[in-house]
Amino acid sequence: DVKVTQSSRYLVKRTGEKVFLECVQDMDHENMFWYRQDPGLGLRLIYFSYDVKMKEKGDIPEGYSVSREKKERFSLILESASTNQTSMYLCASSTRAPRADTQYFGPGTRLTVL
Amino acid sequence: DQQVKQNSPSLSVQEGRISILNCDYTNSMFDYFLWYKKYPAEGPTFLISISSIKDKNEDGRFTVFLNKSAKHLSLHIVPSQPGDSAVYFCAASATSGTYKYIFGTGTRLKVLA
Repeated sequence: DVKVTQSSRYLVKRTGEKVFLECVQDMDHENMFWYRQDPGLGLRLIYFSYDVKMKEKGDIPEGYSVSREKKERFSLILESASTNQTSMYLCASSTRAPRADTQYFGPGTRLTVL
Repeated sequence: DQQVKQNSPSLSVQEGRISILNCDYTNSMFDYFLWYKKYPAEGPTFLISISSIKDKNEDGRFTVFLNKSAKHLSLHIVPSQPGDSAVYFCAASATSGTYKYIFGTGTRLKVLA
């Protein structure tokens, strides 16, 4: 059974703070993804990684960075949190199939920036 | 520019009846589609997928239909159950050279007992 875990379910931070969101998967998946979910906007891709130390920008990378030092762990970093980054953050992983494969999601982290 | 659209933000259906959730896309390169279900405070879970070489895929109470000429897919749930109440997202991918999915904005389904 695929398991994707996220370090926190709820997080409250202040404007300007550096924020780390951690994601760990236990299925040896090559691909990992960070999304944010906002009402009326669905899931939007922030960054993804298809291998250790490799990363690609998604659709809304501004204000975020990522780190993938180990295959099982993918971190999302908010260098200086702002109120417009208040959102639900979802991590996902998938295998590197010849075609895009099903993504498995973690439970999400609801981040509030005050 | 929203490449994947779910134009109905919400839908209410009586228990036992059919639920039909719709999704439209604009990118003709999309060739693989998925539906995810999301309960509050949980991550989305995979429900059903369809490749563009098919026009229908069925899994128990869930059937996805793909109309490539109309760039439209739909998810049918028959019969609907109260436990099906959730937000449903469709997602699309152009499988040549990418692992990315583009998600729709979601439809909140409420099945009334």
